[in-house]
Amino acid sequence: QSVLTQPPSVSGAPGQRVTISCTGSSSNIGAGYDVHWYQQLPGTAPKLLIYGNSNRPSGVPDRFSGSKSGTSASLAITGLQAEDEADYYCQSYDSSLSGSFVVFGGGTKLTVL
Amino acid sequence: QVQLQESGPGLVKPSQTLSLTCTVSGGSISSGSYYWSWIRQPAGKGLEWIGRIYTSGSTNYNPSLKSRVTISVDTSKNQFSLKLSSVTAADTAVYYCARLDILTGYEQFDPWGQGTLVTVSS
Repeated sequence: QSVLTQPPSVSGAPGQRVTISCTGSSSNIGAGYDVHWYQQLPGTAPKLLIYGNSNRPSGVPDRFSGSKSGTSASLAITGLQAEDEADYYCQSYDSSLSGSFVVFGGGTKLTVL
Repeated sequence: QVQLQESGPGLVKPSQTLSLTCTVSGGSISSGSYYWSWIRQPAGKGLEWIGRIYTSGSTNYNPSLKSRVTISVDTSKNQFSLKLSSVTAADTAVYYCARLDILTGYEQFDPWGQGTLVTVSS
């Protein structure tokens, strides 16, 4: 069971807009830790998609956007394309008595219909 | 363009120690703007952070694995390594090394190695 909760799957038709949520708590996202998003195409390593809640690395299309509010974050994909079919993971930090450590969401499989 | 490449045995026996190395090319592992991390992914499952190391040798580990994990760095070879002791079948996974970029003021993993599958079986 992941510290950050994501829906197991989402789907949308080409051209549509989809959103993927990432729900945390007061010890991670709600504590002010930033959220990052990764895209994992089938059979490949994850790739950074959004960093610092809403920033896109160079080369990432502006169809991808991120936001954060309270104890949650969201990834939005507009103008859905077949090549967007992948698994998406959110990542943040969680704080405990022994310090802070990296946590991931369980991942969301995006299917392009 | 920094690239990372994992290497090590693909098969480890139960109760033994898993050992992997990540070789960094295209940049120096001694740069002060990065941590170096290990992450794993069991087949069909999500990502699990194992730990990270700074070039000074300072480490942080996932509390759930801390008692079995050691991450070290060899700046002369531009490599960092993972040792996971007392492995069981539950440790079977694809193991990724990744750079934890703190240059931007945030802390995100970029880039990642291609990953290496480690199977724990007798």
